[in-house]
Amino acid sequence: KQEVTQIPAALSVPEGENLVLNCSFTDSAIYNLQWFRQDPGKGLTSLLLIQSSQREQTSGRLNASLDKSSGRSTLYIAASQPGDSATYLCAATARGGSEKLVFGKGTKLTVNP
Amino acid sequence: DAGVIQSPRHEVTEMGQEVTLRCKPISGHNSLFWYRQTMMRGLELLIYFNNNVPIDDSGMPEDRFSAKMPNASFSTLKIQPSEPRDSAVYFCASSENYSNQPQHFGDGTRLSIL
Repeated sequence: KQEVTQIPAALSVPEGENLVLNCSFTDSAIYNLQWFRQDPGKGLTSLLLIQSSQREQTSGRLNASLDKSSGRSTLYIAASQPGDSATYLCAATARGGSEKLVFGKGTKLTVNP
Repeated sequence: DAGVIQSPRHEVTEMGQEVTLRCKPISGHNSLFWYRQTMMRGLELLIYFNNNVPIDDSGMPEDRFSAKMPNASFSTLKIQPSEPRDSAVYFCASSENYSNQPQHFGDGTRLSIL
């Protein structure tokens, strides 16, 4: 059974800092791993999707990496801004179902001006 | 694009009442997902459909929960009878057919059962 863990649960950084969010998963037989952002009172917004055959994906100041062998993914945010403050969730596909996602509980990021 | 639309945004009702949550997926998306989010358990998949057919309902907690997708543009999640422990935020998401496509989420329904 796939399990996804995100540590730390909360992170506070000053504006302009580069930071890394961590995600680990127990079953390496994944189809993809996705990173989402959730703002208070809102749904999730898809940030990056890394397919199992890929090592990383980039979008603007965001870069996500995937290491299936170690069961880890990281989300790198460059030059953080107060607008990046949100909860970031990673999700890995469950074994046997390419569309079925298992979510971590998220890392709540606060970027202080 | 209007995105995934959920209604109502908030629902407060008494224990024992029937609750119906509604979802309109993004036009052209063939997969639809219902999730529940709580502080204790995080985000959990309840059920998902592909081309209006339920594919996996193993996350539905009890027989009190049921979901339907009568056509490609509408789905419902029903709880009958409702209980206080059903209080949570319920999200609907949709994606293009098939795997390796990002899921697009609605803003959720915040459900409170008194």
